[in-house]
Amino acid sequence: KNQVEQSPQSLIILEGKNCTLQCNYTVSPFSNLRWYKQDTGRGPVSLTIMTFSENTKSNGRYTATLDADTKQSSLHITASQLSDSASYICVVFGDDYKLSFGAGTTVTVRA
Amino acid sequence: ETGVTQTPRHLVMGMTNKKSLKCEQHLGHNAMYWYKQSAKKPLELMFVYNFKEQTENNSVPSRFSPECPNSSHLFLHLHTLQPEDSALYLCASSQEPGGSYEQYFGPGTRLTVT
Repeated sequence: KNQVEQSPQSLIILEGKNCTLQCNYTVSPFSNLRWYKQDTGRGPVSLTIMTFSENTKSNGRYTATLDADTKQSSLHITASQLSDSASYICVVFGDDYKLSFGAGTTVTVRA
Repeated sequence: ETGVTQTPRHLVMGMTNKKSLKCEQHLGHNAMYWYKQSAKKPLELMFVYNFKEQTENNSVPSRFSPECPNSSHLFLHLHTLQPEDSALYLCASSQEPGGSYEQYFGPGTRLTVT
């Protein structure tokens, strides 16, 4: 069974600090990996999408990395802001045309 | 805004009630989806529609009945639900079905079954 595991489940950081979220997956082979941001009471919004041949992709203060050999991805948030408080979801699209979702990491940024 | 709207945003219903969730997309997409999101659990894909035709039903109980009258509108009809059905129900759309196309999500309907 394809699985996507995210860690930590939740974290609290101070405004202005950096943090890194992890995503390990067993989906193989896979076509692309995405990170979504979901604000409370809202639907997920795409941050980045990477194919298996890409190692890193940035979207403003968000930088995603991908190691297809170890089946690991990370999302790094730089100089966090209060608006970064949200759930971050890792999604892997396999060559079987199925999407596998992680349970998400809840980030709380405090002033 | 993502171009996908959902109504109502919140719904409380008893186990004997019948209600419907509505989703509308203004993006000209051909595929629409229903997802269930429970606390601390991954999103669960429920149904997929392509050009109004249902292409996927992930073993969803019959108390959930989808309807897609056209490629812009999607409904989820609910009847005799159970308390464990309480969750956030998300609608999404994409240009074509399948994970290679970006999915745009609506804000969701927070459903509470009492």
